Amino acid sequence: GQQVMQIPQYQHVQEGEDFTTYCNSSTTLSNIQWYKQRPGGHPVFLIQLVKSGEVKKQKRLTFQFGEAKKNSSLHITATQTTDVGTYFCAGNGGSQGNLIFGKGTKLSVKP
Amino acid sequence: KAGVTQTPRYLIKTRGQQVTLSCSPISGHRSVSWYQQTPGQGLQFLFEYFSETQRNKGNFPGRFSGRQFSNSRSEMNVSTLELGDSALYLCASSLGVSGEPPLHFGNGTRLTVT
Repeated sequence: GQQVMQIPQYQHVQEGEDFTTYCNSSTTLSNIQWYKQRPGGHPVFLIQLVKSGEVKKQKRLTFQFGEAKKNSSLHITATQTTDVGTYFCAGNGGSQGNLIFGKGTKLSVKP
Repeated sequence: KAGVTQTPRYLIKTRGQQVTLSCSPISGHRSVSWYQQTPGQGLQFLFEYFSETQRNKGNFPGRFSGRQFSNSRSEMNVSTLELGDSALYLCASSLGVSGEPPLHFGNGTRLTVT
Protein backbone atom coordinates (compact mmCIF):
# COMPACT_ATOMS: atom_id res chain seq x y z
CA GLY A 1 0.00 0.00 0.00
CA GLN A 2 0.88 3.65 -0.10
CA GLN A 3 3.71 4.70 2.20
CA VAL A 4 4.94 8.12 3.18
CA MET A 5 8.48 8.36 4.53
CA GLN A 6 9.77 11.37 6.36
CA ILE A 7 13.32 12.27 7.36
CA PRO A 8 15.00 13.05 9.61
CA GLN A 9 13.18 11.63 12.61
CA TYR A 10 14.78 14.17 14.94
CA GLN A 11 16.54 17.47 14.42
CA HIS A 12 18.24 19.56 17.07
CA VAL A 13 19.21 23.07 16.04
CA GLN A 14 20.52 26.23 17.64
CA GLU A 15 18.10 29.12 17.54
CA GLY A 16 18.68 31.04 14.34
CA GLU A 17 19.77 28.02 12.32
CA ASP A 18 17.74 26.72 9.41
CA PHE A 19 15.78 23.47 9.43
CA THR A 20 14.48 21.20 6.67
CA THR A 21 12.34 18.07 6.75
CA TYR A 22 11.78 15.85 3.72
CA CYS A 23 8.85 13.70 2.75
CA ASN A 24 8.76 10.95 0.13
CA SER A 25 5.83 8.93 -1.10
CA SER A 26 5.90 5.51 -2.72
CA THR A 27 3.14 6.65 -5.10
CA THR A 28 2.18 9.82 -6.91
CA LEU A 29 0.13 12.10 -4.71
CA SER A 30 -2.84 14.23 -5.65
CA ASN A 31 -1.91 16.60 -2.84
CA ILE A 32 0.30 16.81 0.21
CA GLN A 33 -0.52 18.46 3.51
CA TRP A 34 1.69 19.60 6.36
CA TYR A 35 0.76 19.62 10.03
CA LYS A 36 2.52 20.78 13.18
CA GLN A 37 2.08 19.21 16.59
CA ARG A 38 3.38 21.14 19.58
CA PRO A 39 4.50 19.11 22.61
CA GLY A 40 1.42 17.88 24.44
CA GLY A 41 -0.86 19.18 21.70
CA HIS A 42 -2.63 17.89 18.65
CA PRO A 43 -1.67 18.23 14.98
CA VAL A 44 -2.62 21.55 13.43
CA PHE A 45 -2.96 22.06 9.69
CA LEU A 46 -0.31 24.28 8.12
CA ILE A 47 -0.76 24.08 4.36
CA GLN A 48 -1.73 22.02 1.33
CA LEU A 49 0.23 21.70 -1.91
CA VAL A 50 -1.52 20.48 -5.03
CA LYS A 51 0.41 21.43 -8.16
CA SER A 52 3.57 19.85 -9.47
CA GLY A 53 6.58 21.98 -8.50
CA GLU A 54 4.47 24.22 -6.27
CA VAL A 55 6.22 26.43 -3.73
CA LYS A 56 4.37 28.21 -0.96
CA LYS A 57 5.65 30.45 1.81
CA GLN A 58 4.32 31.29 5.23
CA LYS A 59 6.62 33.85 6.82
CA ARG A 60 9.79 31.88 7.61
CA LEU A 61 8.34 28.55 6.37
CA THR A 62 8.78 27.43 2.76
CA PHE A 63 6.92 24.39 1.43
CA GLN A 64 7.76 22.64 -1.83
CA PHE A 65 6.03 19.92 -3.83
CA GLY A 66 8.21 17.92 -6.19
CA GLU A 67 7.80 17.91 -9.95
CA ALA A 68 6.78 14.25 -9.90
CA LYS A 69 4.38 14.89 -7.00
CA LYS A 70 6.06 12.17 -4.95
CA ASN A 71 8.13 14.28 -2.60
CA SER A 72 7.87 17.43 -0.57
CA SER A 73 9.90 19.51 1.84
CA LEU A 74 9.40 22.04 4.57
CA HIS A 75 12.17 24.54 5.22
CA ILE A 76 12.25 26.90 8.19
CA THR A 77 14.61 29.86 8.02
CA ALA A 78 16.19 31.17 11.20
CA THR A 79 14.40 28.90 13.65
CA GLN A 80 12.88 30.28 16.82
CA THR A 81 11.94 28.51 20.03
CA THR A 82 8.29 28.80 18.99
CA ASP A 83 9.05 26.44 16.09
CA VAL A 84 9.53 23.53 18.49
CA GLY A 85 7.29 20.58 17.75
CA THR A 86 6.79 17.67 15.41
CA TYR A 87 6.15 18.36 11.74
CA PHE A 88 4.13 15.83 9.78
CA CYS A 89 3.56 15.53 6.10
CA ALA A 90 0.44 13.72 4.92
CA GLY A 91 -0.18 12.48 1.43
CA ASN A 92 -3.35 11.68 -0.40
CA GLY A 93 -3.27 9.70 -3.58
CA GLY A 94 -3.50 6.00 -2.92
CA SER A 95 -6.34 3.83 -4.07
CA GLN A 96 -7.89 4.09 -0.63
CA GLY A 97 -8.11 7.86 -0.87
CA ASN A 98 -7.38 8.42 2.80
CA LEU A 99 -4.65 10.63 4.16
CA ILE A 100 -1.42 8.81 5.03
CA PHE A 101 0.88 10.55 7.49
CA GLY A 102 4.64 10.35 7.64
CA LYS A 103 6.18 9.52 11.02
CA GLY A 104 7.10 13.14 11.55
CA THR A 105 10.23 15.12 12.28
CA LYS A 106 10.64 16.27 15.85
CA LEU A 107 12.33 19.65 15.98
CA SER A 108 14.00 20.96 19.10
CA VAL A 109 15.49 24.46 19.22
CA LYS A 110 18.17 25.43 21.70
CA PRO A 111 18.01 29.09 22.69
CA LYS B 1 -17.32 27.27 16.49
CA ALA B 2 -16.38 24.67 19.05
CA GLY B 3 -13.50 22.44 18.08
CA VAL B 4 -13.35 18.67 17.89
CA THR B 5 -14.16 17.16 21.27
CA GLN B 6 -12.88 13.80 22.38
CA THR B 7 -13.90 12.02 25.55
CA PRO B 8 -12.56 10.83 27.80
CA ARG B 9 -9.13 12.48 27.84
CA TYR B 10 -7.53 9.62 29.75
CA LEU B 11 -8.35 5.96 30.21
CA ILE B 12 -6.66 3.16 32.07
CA LYS B 13 -7.79 -0.35 31.25
CA THR B 14 -6.50 -3.84 31.82
CA ARG B 15 -5.72 -6.45 29.22
CA GLY B 16 -8.75 -8.23 27.87
CA GLN B 17 -11.15 -5.41 28.59
CA GLN B 18 -12.87 -3.35 25.93
CA VAL B 19 -13.07 0.42 25.57
CA THR B 20 -15.19 2.96 23.73
CA LEU B 21 -13.89 6.37 22.74
CA SER B 22 -16.07 9.23 21.61
CA CYS B 23 -15.55 12.06 19.16
CA SER B 24 -17.77 15.04 18.44
CA PRO B 25 -16.72 16.80 15.23
CA ILE B 26 -16.95 20.46 14.44
CA SER B 27 -20.53 21.43 13.66
CA GLY B 28 -21.26 20.86 9.98
CA HIS B 29 -18.35 18.48 9.41
CA ARG B 30 -19.41 15.17 7.94
CA SER B 31 -16.13 13.28 7.93
CA VAL B 32 -14.50 11.80 11.01
CA SER B 33 -11.18 10.00 10.88
CA TRP B 34 -9.43 8.14 13.65
CA TYR B 35 -5.67 7.82 14.13
CA GLN B 36 -3.48 5.96 16.58
CA GLN B 37 -0.36 7.82 17.66
CA THR B 38 2.54 6.07 19.35
CA PRO B 39 6.14 7.25 19.84
CA GLY B 40 8.19 6.48 16.78
CA GLN B 41 5.22 5.33 14.70
CA GLY B 42 3.62 8.65 14.01
CA LEU B 43 -0.04 8.81 13.10
CA GLN B 44 -1.45 5.53 11.88
CA PHE B 45 -4.80 5.63 10.13
CA LEU B 46 -7.53 3.54 11.69
CA PHE B 47 -10.68 4.40 9.73
CA GLU B 48 -12.75 7.18 8.28
CA TYR B 49 -16.49 7.70 8.40
CA PHE B 50 -18.43 9.96 6.12
CA SER B 51 -22.17 10.43 6.45
CA GLU B 52 -22.46 7.35 8.69
CA THR B 53 -20.61 5.07 6.25
CA GLN B 54 -17.13 3.71 6.73
CA ARG B 55 -15.24 5.09 3.81
CA ASN B 56 -11.77 3.74 4.47
CA LYS B 57 -10.08 1.39 6.89
CA GLY B 58 -6.43 1.08 7.87
CA ASN B 59 -4.43 -2.04 8.61
CA PHE B 60 -5.64 -2.74 12.11
CA PRO B 61 -7.13 -5.97 13.43
CA GLY B 62 -10.86 -6.47 13.66
CA ARG B 63 -10.71 -5.69 17.39
CA PHE B 64 -10.78 -2.06 16.31
CA SER B 65 -14.15 -0.90 15.11
CA GLY B 66 -16.08 2.29 14.82
CA ARG B 67 -19.30 3.89 13.83
CA GLN B 68 -20.77 7.26 13.05
CA PHE B 69 -24.15 8.54 14.05
CA SER B 70 -26.57 10.70 12.10
CA ASN B 71 -25.33 13.81 13.96
CA SER B 72 -21.77 12.97 12.74
CA ARG B 73 -20.56 12.05 16.20
CA SER B 74 -18.34 9.00 16.08
CA GLU B 75 -17.30 6.27 18.44
CA MET B 76 -14.38 3.91 18.29
CA ASN B 77 -14.34 0.59 20.09
CA VAL B 78 -11.41 -1.62 20.91
CA SER B 79 -12.18 -5.09 22.23
CA THR B 80 -9.90 -7.55 24.00
CA LEU B 81 -7.33 -4.89 24.80
CA GLU B 82 -3.64 -5.70 24.47
CA LEU B 83 -0.65 -3.90 26.02
CA GLY B 84 0.32 -2.70 22.56
CA ASP B 85 -2.93 -0.79 22.25
CA SER B 86 -1.60 1.82 24.68
CA ALA B 87 -1.48 5.00 22.62
CA LEU B 88 -2.96 8.42 22.00
CA TYR B 89 -6.08 8.06 19.87
CA LEU B 90 -6.80 11.12 17.80
CA CYS B 91 -9.98 11.95 16.03
CA ALA B 92 -10.11 14.46 13.20
CA SER B 93 -13.02 15.99 11.39
CA SER B 94 -13.30 17.71 8.06
CA LEU B 95 -16.02 19.27 5.98
CA GLY B 96 -15.56 16.84 3.12
CA VAL B 97 -13.73 13.55 2.88
CA SER B 98 -10.41 13.31 4.71
CA GLY B 99 -8.29 13.99 1.65
CA GLU B 100 -9.69 17.51 1.48
CA PRO B 101 -8.00 19.70 4.05
CA PRO B 102 -7.90 20.85 6.61
CA LEU B 103 -8.28 18.08 9.11
CA HIS B 104 -9.20 19.45 12.51
CA PHE B 105 -7.89 17.26 15.30
CA GLY B 106 -9.20 16.82 18.80
CA ASN B 107 -6.93 16.70 21.84
CA GLY B 108 -7.06 12.92 21.84
CA THR B 109 -7.77 10.16 24.30
CA ARG B 110 -4.72 8.75 26.06
CA LEU B 111 -5.33 5.02 26.55
CA THR B 112 -3.11 3.03 28.88
CA VAL B 113 -3.49 -0.73 28.98
CA THR B 114 -1.97 -2.51 31.99
